[in-house]
Amino acid sequence: AQTVTQSQPEMSVQEAETVTLSCTYDTSESDYYLFWYKQPPSRQMILVIRQEAYKQQNATENRFSVNFQKAAKSFSLKISDSQLGDAAMYFCAYRSDRGAQKLVFGQGTRLTINP
Amino acid sequence: ETGVTQTPRHLVMGMTNKKSLKCEQHLGHNAMYWYKQSAKKPLELMFVYSLEERVENNSVPSRFSPECPNSSHLFLHLHTLQPEDSALYLCASSQDRAVYYGYTFGSGTRLTVV
Repeated sequence: AQTVTQSQPEMSVQEAETVTLSCTYDTSESDYYLFWYKQPPSRQMILVIRQEAYKQQNATENRFSVNFQKAAKSFSLKISDSQLGDAAMYFCAYRSDRGAQKLVFGQGTRLTINP
Repeated sequence: ETGVTQTPRHLVMGMTNKKSLKCEQHLGHNAMYWYKQSAKKPLELMFVYSLEERVENNSVPSRFSPECPNSSHLFLHLHTLQPEDSALYLCASSQDRAVYYGYTFGSGTRLTVV
């Protein structure tokens, strides 16, 4: 079974600075998708960014980018120019491209933005 | 509004009560999910429905009973719950086989069992 590990329960960063959230996963599959979700106090899980495992190029969405290292099974999220609205729980998730294709989540990292 | 609506937003119930959580999506998705989110624990997948058939039940106690009458609606019926069942219950939907898109989530129901 696939597992996702986020080793940083909490992180903090100064506004306008850059922060990196870590995620590692375990799988024997070669085709899969990786996601970062954000859960603000409103509780709604919002998709931040996704990465297809077959793509070597790291995904980028505005201030959010990932460092995808397939061999190392690592998928970190970098937030540049941090804003107060970025404060939230961030969850890394894995989804297989076969079988049940269910979304498997890590434990989450609580990100605090210091003004 | 993301397209997945959960009601009620908050629910307080006694251990002998019976209540239901409701989830509704109008995104044309054909798979729906219930997750339990407790403090300091990973999200736990409870049930998966695909094309209105339950395809996964992750050893959830029988005091939780899901129902999927059609592809747009999902319910979670609750009875004789325990205080440890207090948590945020999240509903999500997806288009089966469209793995690239992940899931769309509702805002959850915060359940407190007293």
